[in-house]
Amino acid sequence: SQTIHQWPATLVQPVGSPLSLECTVEGTSNPNLYWYRQAAGRGLQLLFYSVGIGQISSEVPQNLSASRPQDRQFILSSKKLLLSDSGFYLCACPLAAGVNTGELFFGEGSRLTVL
Amino acid sequence: DQQVKQNSPSLSVQEGRISILNCDYTNSMFDYFLWYKKYPAEGPTFLISISSIKDKNEDGRFTVFLNKSAKHLSLHIVPSQPGDSAVYFCAGFQGAQKLVFGQGTRLTINP
Repeated sequence: SQTIHQWPATLVQPVGSPLSLECTVEGTSNPNLYWYRQAAGRGLQLLFYSVGIGQISSEVPQNLSASRPQDRQFILSSKKLLLSDSGFYLCACPLAAGVNTGELFFGEGSRLTVL
Repeated sequence: DQQVKQNSPSLSVQEGRISILNCDYTNSMFDYFLWYKKYPAEGPTFLISISSIKDKNEDGRFTVFLNKSAKHLSLHIVPSQPGDSAVYFCAGFQGAQKLVFGQGTRLTINP
């Protein structure tokens, strides 16, 4: 079965500073990868998804970006954080290899607080 | 554009009774509908799903019903247990790529 490592688990950053959140997936190959965000009191918002190395689809206009430099690595970045970027960031991949029916496995998340 | 909506932010049910969580959607192109369960400070976990061509799927205490004409789905939990207390998200899956979530409903099971 797969595992997802997200780091850092918790991050406090000042407004205007850069951001890099990393996600590494093990136990599967060539998975679709996803970044979601849960802001305080809100649902899960799809930010980016990737179907392969170097392939990124953005769902919401924002000051965040994503990259997939390796098959099982997905990185979320920002050059200048905003207060509204605070939230709980979750990386996900399909629950079963080769099965794309929406059943996702999520990592433990990275909590970002922008002050 | 909120493609998946959960209009009840919270629900309180007595232990042993039935919990019914509701969800509405606007996107007719969803291929699957899913329910996820989430505890605080953790990632969501997959609970149950239903294909858009079905109207019911059952797994133990959990049953999902889909009414395509009304663009509505519901999750029934019976009997409800204290461990079911969590936030439940419904979601629609489209094109083998995109999973879109609702806002979530916080379910509290009272002893």
